[in-house]
Amino acid sequence: DVQMTQSPSTLSASVGDRVTITCRASQSVNSWLAWFQQKPGRAPKPLIYKASNLESGVPSRFSGSGSGTEFTLTISSLQPDDFATYYCQQYNTFSWTFGQGTKVEIK
Amino acid sequence: DVQLVESGGGLIQPGGSLRLSCVASGFSVSDYYMSWVRQAPGKGLEWVSTLDRAGTTFYADSVRGRFSISRDNSHNTLYLQMNNLRAEDTAVYYCARDGSQRSFQYWGQGTVVTVSS
Repeated sequence: DVQMTQSPSTLSASVGDRVTITCRASQSVNSWLAWFQQKPGRAPKPLIYKASNLESGVPSRFSGSGSGTEFTLTISSLQPDDFATYYCQQYNTFSWTFGQGTKVEIK
Repeated sequence: DVQLVESGGGLIQPGGSLRLSCVASGFSVSDYYMSWVRQAPGKGLEWVSTLDRAGTTFYADSVRGRFSISRDNSHNTLYLQMNNLRAEDTAVYYCARDGSQRSFQYWGQGTVVTVSS
């Protein structure tokens, strides 16, 4: 199975900060990489698909980049609504796998 | 509008069986990849199983041989039959649908499964 490793596991930041989360795959997943945002008690919300494509309705401060084994999710200016946990997920090959998550906390 | 509504969760003893349902509206389950994703208490997301448009099934190693994914086109419903349940299967189970170049574009609200004696 492809292992997905996110860093950091926890991130403390302030409103207005630029935030970057990294996701590394144990083998190439080409560009078949998605990012999800999850808040407590809620279903995950899709943010990015195929590494760099923004889902409809997602603010443009979110962006994704990368291919192969290294990917990043960037929030250009952190807003109060962005404090949540973020997951990457590869869907290049079954078994599809998620990263362990990155919790973005208020500094 | 696309909607996914899960049901069937509950408290079950180890070794028991449970069937989860996911009723879809706004599309046909036979036209999309349909999946189950779970989240144990305080833990991250774990892909469980996927049923593709052709009817091919895929399972995580942790559930293969115990869980079975299926669909009923006439009721537009996805199922997850869970047998020989273990404490580590305790989780919120989400139903999800793919989209163009996407794995999970739409999600249900989840149903809670608790395996405990």
